[in-house]
Amino acid sequence: EIVLTQSPDFQSVTPKEKVTITCRASQSIGSSLHWYQQKPDQSPKLLIKYGSQSFSGVPSRFSGSGSGTDFTLTINSLEAEDAATYYCHQSNWPLTFGGGTKVEIK
Amino acid sequence: QVQLVESGGGLVKPGGSLRLSCAASGFTLSDYYMSWIRQAPGKGLEWISYISSSGNTIYYADSVRGRFTISRDNAKNSLYLQMNSLRAEDTAFYYCARGGIAVHGYLDYWGQGTLVSVSS
Repeated sequence: EIVLTQSPDFQSVTPKEKVTITCRASQSIGSSLHWYQQKPDQSPKLLIKYGSQSFSGVPSRFSGSGSGTDFTLTINSLEAEDAATYYCHQSNWPLTFGGGTKVEIK
Repeated sequence: QVQLVESGGGLVKPGGSLRLSCAASGFTLSDYYMSWIRQAPGKGLEWISYISSSGNTIYYADSVRGRFTISRDNAKNSLYLQMNSLRAEDTAFYYCARGGIAVHGYLDYWGQGTLVSVSS
């Protein structure tokens, strides 16, 4: 099973600040890495697919990079509505998720 | 627009059974891989099962293999999860989500979830 390790677990950030979340895979997964945002009491929403491709309708401040074992989700100029937990997910079988990164607005 | 609506959750005793349903609309279910993912209250996401568009390929996480069964009725645009021999650790919100067409890939649409509570 491919283990995804996210860091940090928690981040408290002021609006307009840049946020960087990393996801490391226990073995190479090519570009089969996707990012989701989950706000409190809501289901997850897809942000980034295949490492760096933005999903339809996602604000341009969200971007992804990486391949192989190391991936990054970047939120440029954080907005208050971005308070959420962010998960990475790899789509090789068996599918696995990272442990999540909670982003709080200061 | 794409919509997924889960139902069938509730309170059940350990050892009991439940059948979850996921009603799909706004797209042709038979074209897509589908998955079930769960989330224990306050915890992270756990993928538990997926089924290919044809239903010929099915995978389960080790935590549910032998107890849960995924199925689909493309004519009814519905996905199901039969859960038997339920345990306290199965308590979670259960989400259905849409995968890809040729491969599973990313999960682009999720339902709102249904809560399963296993307790005596």
